[in-house]
Amino acid sequence: ETGVTQTPRHLVMGMTNKKSLKCEQHLGHNAMYWYKQSAKKPLELMFVYNFKEQTENNSVPSRFSPECPNSSHLFLHLHTLQPEDSALYLCASRRDSLTGELFFGEGSRLTVL
Amino acid sequence: ELKVEQNPLFLSMQEGKNYTIYCNYSTTSDRLYWYRQDPGKSLESLFVLLSNGAVKQEGRLMASLDTKARLSTLHITAAVHDLSATYFCAGKSSGDKLTFGTGTRLAVRP
Repeated sequence: ETGVTQTPRHLVMGMTNKKSLKCEQHLGHNAMYWYKQSAKKPLELMFVYNFKEQTENNSVPSRFSPECPNSSHLFLHLHTLQPEDSALYLCASRRDSLTGELFFGEGSRLTVL
Repeated sequence: ELKVEQNPLFLSMQEGKNYTIYCNYSTTSDRLYWYRQDPGKSLESLFVLLSNGAVKQEGRLMASLDTKARLSTLHITAAVHDLSATYFCAGKSSGDKLTFGTGTRLAVRP
């Protein structure tokens, strides 16, 4: 138990569906991250939110839409996805800016048909 | 842009042996992180190295950082099966970004 909870753990969606991934952290951290993990590729940073403000958008296609209503919750809204978007989506929260250490959730395994 | 390379990508080692995983990075990164990931699981933070010459040890794992050489190492001493996992290093580039290497998959065999 890392203190970062992601739901759902598994999601199968069609290319025309709209779905959302949810991340919640119980650690009192102020920054939250979305990473994409595909087979045989390094983890790819997608978005960073710091005190609810987006501070990094790593050229992510607009079919991925993040939302951070408060420092404890982070969403990734998905629509019109492609099969190559199938991956493990990992959420993380950051303890502090001094160490920069990230604490990861278990991930949401997404399959796009 | 920071690039992080690990080698080897795959390591099969016998129980009781020692080995080192290498992490090279391309530009200045004054912090270096090591994570472990078991299959189907989350990434678990192992070490945070904050300065040149930093060395940290936990059990059979020891990590070090040489910022001048842009190199971090993760040394495994007397490997046991429980250490089988994928190990990632990551560097901190500008702003809030952490850039990860491709990972080293470690398999410890009897």
